[in-house]
Amino acid sequence: DIQMTQSPSTLSASVGDRVTISCRASQSISNWLAWYQQKPGKAPKLLISRASTLESGVPSRFSGSGSGTEFTLTITSLQPDDFATYYCQQYNNYPLTFGGGTKVEIK
Amino acid sequence: QVQLVESGGGAVQPGRSLRLSCAASGFTFSDYGMHWVRQAPGKGLEWVAAIWYDGNNKYYAESVKGRITISRDNSKDTVYLQMNSLRAEDTAVYYCARGVLGEWFFDYWGQGTLVTVSS
Repeated sequence: DIQMTQSPSTLSASVGDRVTISCRASQSISNWLAWYQQKPGKAPKLLISRASTLESGVPSRFSGSGSGTEFTLTITSLQPDDFATYYCQQYNNYPLTFGGGTKVEIK
Repeated sequence: QVQLVESGGGAVQPGRSLRLSCAASGFTFSDYGMHWVRQAPGKGLEWVAAIWYDGNNKYYAESVKGRITISRDNSKDTVYLQMNSLRAEDTAVYYCARGVLGEWFFDYWGQGTLVTVSS
């Protein structure tokens, strides 16, 4: 199975900050990586697929990069609505696996 | 608009069975692969099972293999998760999710249904 490791697990930031979340795969997954945002009590929301393709309706302050085993989700100018938990997910092969999540908290 | 509505969750004793349902609307259900993803209380997301658009291929997480079966009825636009020999560690919110055409990530999710396994 492919293990997905996110860092940090928790991140404290202020409105307007630039935030970077890392996701590492235990083996190469090309660009078969998605990012989701989840708020408490809600289902996850798809943000990015194929490592860097922004989903329709997702603000342009979100961006993704990387390939192979190293990936990054960046939020430029953090907004109040962005405080949430973020997950990466590999879909290179089954079983599909998620990272452990990164909680973005208010500093 | 795309809607996925799960049902069937509840409290159950260890060793018992439960069947979850996910009713889909707003899209051509028979065109899409469907998945179940779960989230234990306070924990992260865990993919559980997948079924192809025609039901001919199914995949499972190792943690549920042999105990859980995914199925679908395209005439009813519904996907199911039959869970047998339930364990305390199966306690979670279970989400159904639509797989993106030709790829294995999820563009729409249901609201989730809580399964609690406890004596």
